[in-house]
Amino acid sequence: ETGVTQTPRHLVMGMTNKKSLKCEQHLGHNAMYWYKQSAKKPLELMFVYNFKEQTENNSVPSRFSPECPNSSHLFLHLHTLQPEDSALYLCASSQVPGANEKLFFGSGTQLSVL
Amino acid sequence: DQQVKQNSPSLSVQEGRISILNCDYTNSMFDYFLWYKKYPAEGPTFLISISSIKDKNEDGRFTVFLNKSAKHLSLHIVPSQPGDSAVYFCAASPFLPKFYFGSGTKLNVKP
Repeated sequence: ETGVTQTPRHLVMGMTNKKSLKCEQHLGHNAMYWYKQSAKKPLELMFVYNFKEQTENNSVPSRFSPECPNSSHLFLHLHTLQPEDSALYLCASSQVPGANEKLFFGSGTQLSVL
Repeated sequence: DQQVKQNSPSLSVQEGRISILNCDYTNSMFDYFLWYKKYPAEGPTFLISISSIKDKNEDGRFTVFLNKSAKHLSLHIVPSQPGDSAVYFCAASPFLPKFYFGSGTKLNVKP
């Protein structure tokens, strides 16, 4: 399998549930990202990991908790979410951070919070 | 504050004609710009990029133009094809590994 794989593709959860999103990249990249896409809004950067270390937390509420056990895997743990958190969550990866790198995206997890 | 703006949420073009998608940015530290294409239920895929040392980059039917003084870039698709119908995102990056995206323009190419 190649590229960036995200699971699940769709997720419906209640506000009291705890769930996790998974991302795996098979590109040998060293940086991984979580983005949020809400309807008619820009992709919002949530977290960045470089070599497993978190280097960016874009003021994301603590009900979103990322985990990066190695350079190939990235998780987003969700708990006590709100309906306004419903969105498409995209994982991405890139080569060693630096100039002129591009992001490779997964297909995303469409999250609905009831 | 939104640093990358795509002011046209949608664009409709006849097949065979030119599609021009526009993007404006505010941060003069951005030195690398990208265009991504997104189909429904899929993640964005990289289309074309341009470094700030250039003002034009071409790849087949796709050309990106950069006007640094105006902080403006555009994507030209010639000729447009129905398969080009998708949402196009503009993105910009400073040296650091951060990418800022616009809100997207939905292109519809009519047969």
